[in-house]
Formats: sequence, structure tokens, C-alpha cells
Amino acid sequence: EVQLVESGGGLVQPGGSLRLSCAASGFSFSSYSMTWVRQAPGKGLEWISYISSTSSTIYYADSVKGRFTLSRDNAKNSLYLQMNSLRAEDTAVYYCARGQGVWGKGTTVTVSS
Amino acid sequence: DIQMTQSPSTLSASVGDRVTITCRASQSVGSWLAWYQQKPGKAPKLLIYQASSLESGVPSRFSGSGSGTGFTLTISSLQPDDFATYYCQQYYGYPYTFGQGTKLEIK
Repeated sequence: EVQLVESGGGLVQPGGSLRLSCAASGFSFSSYSMTWVRQAPGKGLEWISYISSTSSTIYYADSVKGRFTLSRDNAKNSLYLQMNSLRAEDTAVYYCARGQGVWGKGTTVTVSS
Repeated sequence: DIQMTQSPSTLSASVGDRVTITCRASQSVGSWLAWYQQKPGKAPKLLIYQASSLESGVPSRFSGSGSGTGFTLTISSLQPDDFATYYCQQYYGYPYTFGQGTKLEIK
């Protein structure tokens, strides 16, 4: 079964850091590009980052550029989102996704003092 | 960035109704357009990709059409399970932007 499982969410103070992980299983992870999408409470979906299968190409939304870093470890079938200088507006459920059709269940990040 | 605008933002309908949701792009995205259904507390579920291709396992009452800047999602006969929020997304160019969503409510 194709599966994505996010972890690493939690409560963090403004200005703090958090590292999200996405564990992939059931498919050849190293062959696929991956993305992160987030959803603030009661709001719509926001695409935030993309990484190609070999990590050669990475894109970020302007809202996270310079603060978030996306990486992957194909040997571990894992995707990582390092989030620094967190702000209240980063509070959201964070989803990793493969293409358009495979999504994890999400992990919740709350930025609050 | 490509802006995606959905209409309406909220739609009230009854079981058995035919409903249409519209998505407009600020520039051409070809057919690189997906539609998702999302229920509270759940991840989005892909319904339609490449504007009109039905994702495997999705009921045939869902259909998509359009190209360029104008797209529609049609549900031919609403079922109780269809009351949810629907999003379009362009995947023509980064950032892959979403519409603001259409909440489909029971009348």
C-alpha cells in the first residue's frame, strides 16, 4: 500500500524551529518528486515546497522562502522540512504529498507563546 | 504567481441535484488542473487530474472540463457523501496554487 506518514509537529514558540518528517512506503520513493502543502485553521490549502527526485531542484513559496529548507534521504525513504524562524502565521496542518494523488494524513504545527 | 479563483465560495444544494463549481486561472495553465475534495479533519482527496481525467476509484458522477483559464467540476447527482469542500489546483507552474475552496452545503 502506498503510504505517506508525517511526524514532528507540535507546539513551538515564535522564532523557534521544528523539523517535520515524512516517511514513505509502498512505492519507489527515489523515483518521485515530493511536495509539502499546509492548511491554516479554517483556511484553504497552500502549496509551500517542492523537491525533485534527486534533490537537484527545490522550490519554495515566497511565504516560507529563506526560513524553511526541504531535503530528502532516498536511502531512508524520507522527506524532511526544516522550519526556522517560525511565526504565528505558520500555524497549520502540514501535509506531504506525491504528485496530486497521494497525501499523508498531516501533522499539526502550532506556533504560539 | 498564477492566481486561481473559484466560484461560488459556498453552494447550497440538495441530494440528487446537479452542481457545477467554476475555477478560473489568471493565465493559461493548459490542462494542468486538478480538483480535490476535502472533508473536515481529513487530507484532500484527488478527484480529477489533467482537467478532465477521473482518478481511479472516484465515482463517475464527478466530471471535469475546461482548458486554458476556465475550468468546471460537475457533480451530476449529489449524494450525501459529497457534502464537503472542493479545491482546484494548477500544476502548470510553480508555485502550484490552489483556489480558495468551495464549500458544498446541504440545503
